[in-house]
Parts: sequence; structure tokens; C-alpha cells
Amino acid sequence: NAGVTQTPKFQVLKTGQSMTLQCAQDMNHEYMSWYRQDPGMGLRLIHYSVGAGITDQGEVPNGYNVSRSTTEDFPLRLLSAAPSQTSVYFCASSLTSGGGTDTQYFGPGTRLTVL
Amino acid sequence: RKEVEQDPGPFNVPEGATVAFNCTYSNSASQSFFWYRQDCRKEPKLLMSVYSSGNEDGRFTAQLNRASQYISLLIRDSKLSDSATYLCVVNSPAGTALIFGKGTTLSVSS
Repeated sequence: NAGVTQTPKFQVLKTGQSMTLQCAQDMNHEYMSWYRQDPGMGLRLIHYSVGAGITDQGEVPNGYNVSRSTTEDFPLRLLSAAPSQTSVYFCASSLTSGGGTDTQYFGPGTRLTVL
Repeated sequence: RKEVEQDPGPFNVPEGATVAFNCTYSNSASQSFFWYRQDCRKEPKLLMSVYSSGNEDGRFTAQLNRASQYISLLIRDSKLSDSATYLCVVNSPAGTALIFGKGTTLSVSS
């Protein structure tokens, strides 16, 4: 199993550009989520999904969209990039839909810089 | 009050030392508790879950005090490889998400 994979590993954008961060898992996990990690702020939840076709907002959803058309994939879209979105983005998954009770498996992260 | 609070450290200890990290959480409805470990520029990984009765995994011991809303992690006989950031994590009251503390950084030196 590859576990949780994320692409790209690094990305530089200009303000106003849009892009999609890819996340995939091959463990047949129900729950998937996106976090951002900023210095001194810890990990903050952006969006999560408890199963295919179901998504919900986390703590910091503004400026981001998600969809979950398959169990395996959970892409994160930045609609119009802003310097405040410079961060490290982690995708995570867990076995059951109770994302707050199971072990979360994280991808290696995407380091995004917005100029 | 922040939802999950940790002393950021850094804790600088010699090999073989015992070190303890503390964490407090604000929502008494949280039911699941964890310690994750994050190495520099890597993803977080589960270190151990924390149970009400306390639990041990080798050199690591976790304790939970629900009345005080307090979680602890004790590392005995520290190794160089224990150098990392330790994240205290609780579940949201709805159970649909994890809430992370900002982490405590440990540096073990020879």
C-alpha cells in the first residue's frame, strides 16, 4: 500500500492563480481531511469528508473548495491564491467515518508559497 | 482559552533523561485523546492513544485526567531519535475531527 499520497510536493503560485492539491489513499478509508500547518499555529482543519459525496467545513475553510467523488481521492482547490495561503498542507485519512476517534494517517505534505 | 494548549518548549535534555510533557484541553465533551509525533518537515504520525486508566508503550507513558482536562506524556531513557515535536490531540465534541495542540519540541543531545 502507498498509504496517503499528495501531489505536488512543492508549489509556487502568484496571487490570484488557482490550483488543485491532489490527495489519494489506497486503504479504503472512509474519512479524509485537509489541514494546513503554519509556524506557531499548529495544524488547522480546512475541510473534511466522512465518505464519498459528503464534505463539510473545518476551522479555516475560506478560500478553499473540496469534493469527494470517489473513496480514494480528495482534492483541495484554491480558488484565487492569496499570500495568506502560504503554508504546508497535509491530507489525512482514517478508516471509519468517525474522524475524531480513529488513527489519522497523513500524507507527506505539500509546501505552497503564494507570491 | 485555546482548545488544546501545550508548552511549546523547546525541551533540551541529555540522552537517558526522563522528560514529561503536559497538555490541557478546554472541551469536557472530548472523548478521544492522542499523542502524535512530528519530525522536522515531515507529516505527523500517531505515537499513542491515551486511555482513562493510563497506558504505556515501551519507554512512553500517557496519562489522562478527565476532571482536570489534562493529558501528559512521559518519556523515559530519552534517545537521540526521540528528538521531534510532540502534538497533543483531542477529538472535537461532534467526533468528526481532531483538534491539535501547537506541539512541544524535544531535543535530545549526546
